[in-house]
Amino acid sequence: SQTIHQWPATLVQPVGSPLSLECTVEGTSNPNLYWYRQAAGRGLQLLFYSVGIGQISSEVPQNLSASRPQDRQFILSSKKLLLSDSGFYLCAWKLLAGQLNTEAFFGQGTRLTVV
Amino acid sequence: GENVEQHPSTLSVQEGDSAVIKCTYSDSASNYFPWYKQELGKRPQLIIDIRSNVGEKKDQRIAVTLNKTAKHFSLHITETQPEDSAVYFCAASKPSSASKIIFGSGTRLSIRP
Repeated sequence: SQTIHQWPATLVQPVGSPLSLECTVEGTSNPNLYWYRQAAGRGLQLLFYSVGIGQISSEVPQNLSASRPQDRQFILSSKKLLLSDSGFYLCAWKLLAGQLNTEAFFGQGTRLTVV
Repeated sequence: GENVEQHPSTLSVQEGDSAVIKCTYSDSASNYFPWYKQELGKRPQLIIDIRSNVGEKKDQRIAVTLNKTAKHFSLHITETQPEDSAVYFCAASKPSSASKIIFGSGTRLSIRP
């Protein structure tokens, strides 16, 4: 069966420090991968998505970047964190069956607090 | 790009009553509409989805309706129970290689005992 791992679960970082959040998927190949951010009491904002190794699309200009060095690995990074980067970060994956959309599965999330 | 609007942002209903959450989408090419439930501090999880080739789908106490012409879809929860308290998100997705899932802003549902 497929599983998604995301870590760390919680993180407190000072302003100006770097960030690296990692997400890996097991039990499937060539998934679409996504990073979302959820501010406190808010909705899910799509940050990045990837349809394959090295292919990253950004949805919102910001202080963050993403990379996909391996088929089932998706990394969210920042060189210098801002206070506004605080939030709940969720990684997700889904498969495409031709043109048929399918369910997306989320990791357990990382709660990032920038202080 | 696709935009999904969701209403209401908060909803409080008496246990046993019904709850309805409504969403509209902007891109007529969207063909997949999932609904996710997120309990406090946890990941969103799919509770029901509907594709554009059907108008209604039901799973026990949960049902979703889709009006493609008006570009809106709704979640209906009947006989609400305390465990239904959570944040609910609607979403829309198009048939493409990226298959981005665009979420609504969420509805915080509270069930009063």
